[in-house]
Amino acid sequence: QKEVEQNSGPLSVPEGAIASLNCTYSDRGSQSFFWYRQYSGKSPELIMSIYSNGDKEDGRFTAQLNKASQYVSLLIRDSQPSDSATYLCAVNPLTGGGNKLTFGTGTQLKVEL
Amino acid sequence: SQTIHQWPATLVQPVGSPLSLECTVEGTSNPNLYWYRQAAGRGLQLLFYSVGIGQISSEVPQNLSASRPQDRQFILSSKKLLLSDSGFYLCAWSVVGSGYGYTFGSGTRLTVV
Repeated sequence: QKEVEQNSGPLSVPEGAIASLNCTYSDRGSQSFFWYRQYSGKSPELIMSIYSNGDKEDGRFTAQLNKASQYVSLLIRDSQPSDSATYLCAVNPLTGGGNKLTFGTGTQLKVEL
Repeated sequence: SQTIHQWPATLVQPVGSPLSLECTVEGTSNPNLYWYRQAAGRGLQLLFYSVGIGQISSEVPQNLSASRPQDRQFILSSKKLLLSDSGFYLCAWSVVGSGYGYTFGSGTRLTVV
């Protein structure tokens, strides 16, 4: 079982719609969760972090965490073509020590005009 | 503010040649430093991480090594490159401790021919 799982996509949404990206993780003791955006050929950029159950909003982005079900999601409201990228979910598992993040393989998002 | 520099941006090397990739961080002290590799169409694989000068932890046994000769300098090396070493190499830093997201450098795209 992969430690962090994401649907590879591509997920296609029309401009202005809500994009919903999901991620599940295996280490029940994980405490820190992150979403990164990676444009093609570029390095990942941190866009959201979440540590507690519930929702965290930042502009058009909302991260949702459910530790009991072991999933994290990212909602992008009013999706724009510039949101087209691969979104990586990252988790800091309890095991292993240190601040070592485990990344999912990413979900490709395409926002269509 | 903190910045991370990584070079070179691209590199084409023949099989069997040596490798040296360098990463430096500015604007912070005693950061955690990481080397990741992203193969084409695949997720991020943690190669090495360091919590201090001379302290290197290897995550995957392979043809690569890492060194941290100064507090904010992290070097990835190989004595003899293999075709399988091709990929996108990313350096990242984080604040000391657990639960913090990473900031990535701009990456080095290595092609071994």
